[in-house]
Amino acid sequence: DQQVKQNSPSLSVQEGRISILNCDYTNSMFDYFLWYKKYPAEGPTFLISISSIKDKNEDGRFTVFLNKSAKHLSLHIVPSQPGDSAVYFCAASARETSGSRLTFGEGTQLTVNP
Amino acid sequence: NAGVTQTPKFRVLKTGQSMTLLCAQDMNHEYMYWYRQDPGMGLRLIHYSVGEGTTAKGEVPDGYNVSRLKKQNFLLGLESAAPSQTSVYFCASSNRVAAKNIQYFGAGTRLSVL
Repeated sequence: DQQVKQNSPSLSVQEGRISILNCDYTNSMFDYFLWYKKYPAEGPTFLISISSIKDKNEDGRFTVFLNKSAKHLSLHIVPSQPGDSAVYFCAASARETSGSRLTFGEGTQLTVNP
Repeated sequence: NAGVTQTPKFRVLKTGQSMTLLCAQDMNHEYMYWYRQDPGMGLRLIHYSVGEGTTAKGEVPDGYNVSRLKKQNFLLGLESAAPSQTSVYFCASSNRVAAKNIQYFGAGTRLSVL
């Protein structure tokens, strides 16, 4: 079963506008959530994270929101820039999980048009 | 600062051939992971290690073996390659900080099995 799901395979926005990427999860034991960004022919790079004790975390143009009751998190990018065009992966982990393993979503391809 | 290095970057195998993918990290991380990425499926964990001399199965371990003889290296082996193992393989490492597991990834190995 897919415990972390990103329902939108792709998203296209205009430069300067807001990009909103969504992620849903089913496992109530998840207590730490991360977003990774991936450019073609490169490995994923860590972008931003949030603990389940918070509902918002901000880092520059990037903000992650967590709604525990809905088991939903979102990544907001404001303003969007062409260099933000990449695949974004949502990931989750549970503290008690051996090896602190991450469960990834399928990814969303973001395209920011100049 | 190399971080996580994967070799080789590309490889083409014939069905039934064997090969080993090497992952090396210079961050003194305890945990190491091997993932595969397939279109529309995100990153799936193959095997992982919580320390030198230890390995454990992930989500999709069949057809693969791993070894962690040294803390900085994590090897992924394919004993008899199959076309279904055509994929992009990523190695990652992280510190043993359960509450905040940020994994750092290599650039990937693109493997084709004919």
